[in-house]
Amino acid sequence: ELQLVESGGGLVQPGRSLRLSCAASGFTFGDFAMHWVRQVPGKGLEWVAGISWSSENLGYADSVKGRFTISRDNAKNSLYLEMSNLGSEDTALYRCARGDAGDYVYYLDVWGTGTTVIVSS
Amino acid sequence: DIQMTQSPSSLSASVGDRVIITCRASQDIRGYLAWYQQKPGRVPQLLIYSASTLQSGVPSRFSGSGFGTDFTLIISSLQPEDVATYYCQRYNSAPLTFGGGTKVDIK
Repeated sequence: ELQLVESGGGLVQPGRSLRLSCAASGFTFGDFAMHWVRQVPGKGLEWVAGISWSSENLGYADSVKGRFTISRDNAKNSLYLEMSNLGSEDTALYRCARGDAGDYVYYLDVWGTGTTVIVSS
Repeated sequence: DIQMTQSPSSLSASVGDRVIITCRASQDIRGYLAWYQQKPGRVPQLLIYSASTLQSGVPSRFSGSGFGTDFTLIISSLQPEDVATYYCQRYNSAPLTFGGGTKVDIK
């Protein structure tokens, strides 16, 4: 069964950092691009970042560029999102998702259930 | 960045109705468009990619069309289980962007 399980969310103060993780199973992780997508409860989907299968190509939304870093460890079947200088606008449910190709500029065919990040003092 | 505009933002229709949702790109994205369905409290599910290709397992009452800047998702006969928010997403170039969503419910 294809599965993506996120972890690492929580309550964090403004300006602080947080690292999210996503554990993949049920498919050959190293063959696929991976993404982070966030969603404020009751609001729409916002793509955050994507990474190609080899980590050679990365991309970020303008809203997080320079503050967030996406990375992966194919040996551990894991995806990460390092978030720094967090603000209240980053409060959301963060899901990892699989791109249906090695290049990250693609559609997303498998989604995790997400981990919640709340930025508040 | 290329913006994706969906309309309507919400609609209410009867079971069996034909439902049409549109998605417009601010620039030509060729056929690089996907549609997702997100049921209340659930994870988004891929419905359609390449503007018109149905993802495996998706009921045939769903269809997509369009090319360039204008795209359409059609539900040919609305069912109670189709209550959800539907999103389009372009993937012609980075950054990827989603439309604002169309909430569909039963009248």
